[in-house]
Amino acid sequence: AQTVTQSQPEMSVQEAETVTLSCTYDTSESDYYLFWYKQPPSRQMILVIRQEAYKQQNATENRFSVNFQKAAKSFSLKISDSQLGDAAMYFCAYRRGSSNTGKLIFGQGTTLQVKP
Amino acid sequence: SQTIHQWPATLVQPVGSPLSLECTVEGTSNPNLYWYRQAAGRGLQLLFYSVGIGQISSEVPQNLSASRPQDRQFILSSKKLLLSDSGFYLCAWSPLTGWQPQHFGDGTRLSIL
Repeated sequence: AQTVTQSQPEMSVQEAETVTLSCTYDTSESDYYLFWYKQPPSRQMILVIRQEAYKQQNATENRFSVNFQKAAKSFSLKISDSQLGDAAMYFCAYRRGSSNTGKLIFGQGTTLQVKP
Repeated sequence: SQTIHQWPATLVQPVGSPLSLECTVEGTSNPNLYWYRQAAGRGLQLLFYSVGIGQISSEVPQNLSASRPQDRQFILSSKKLLLSDSGFYLCAWSPLTGWQPQHFGDGTRLSIL
């Protein structure tokens, strides 16, 4: 069975600095997709970024980028120029490529604190 | 564009009372639908998912049930609530085909007294 692990329960970063959140996963599949979701204090789940496993190029969305290391099964999220609004819980998620259910496997989450 | 509506936003219920949370999706057909529960400061636990009308899969045994009476409607129910049913409930949808991510509703905060 696939698993997703976020080993950092809490992280903090100074405003305008860069922070990297870690995520590792375990799978025997070669076709899959990875996502990062953000959950601010309002508790909405917001998609931050997505990565297809077959793409070698790391995904980027404005200040958010990933470091996807397929062989190491690692999918870290880098937030550049951190802003107060980035304070949230961040979840890494995995989806099998062949899944017709669209089920996601989530990590335990990392709470990010942004200090002014 | 597609939107997902979930209500109510907040609910306070006594132990032993029934529950009905509703979720509807607009702007798409044949979505996959999901119910999650989240304890405070914790991760998401998938409760149920559905790939079509009347098709419900349960991920964990519990006091809750789900139904999908219409293509874009997903209902989470309980006949008698327990204290342990307290939590934050999220509904989500994803397209039936393709690899698109799940999109979430705003959630329901359920408190059991």
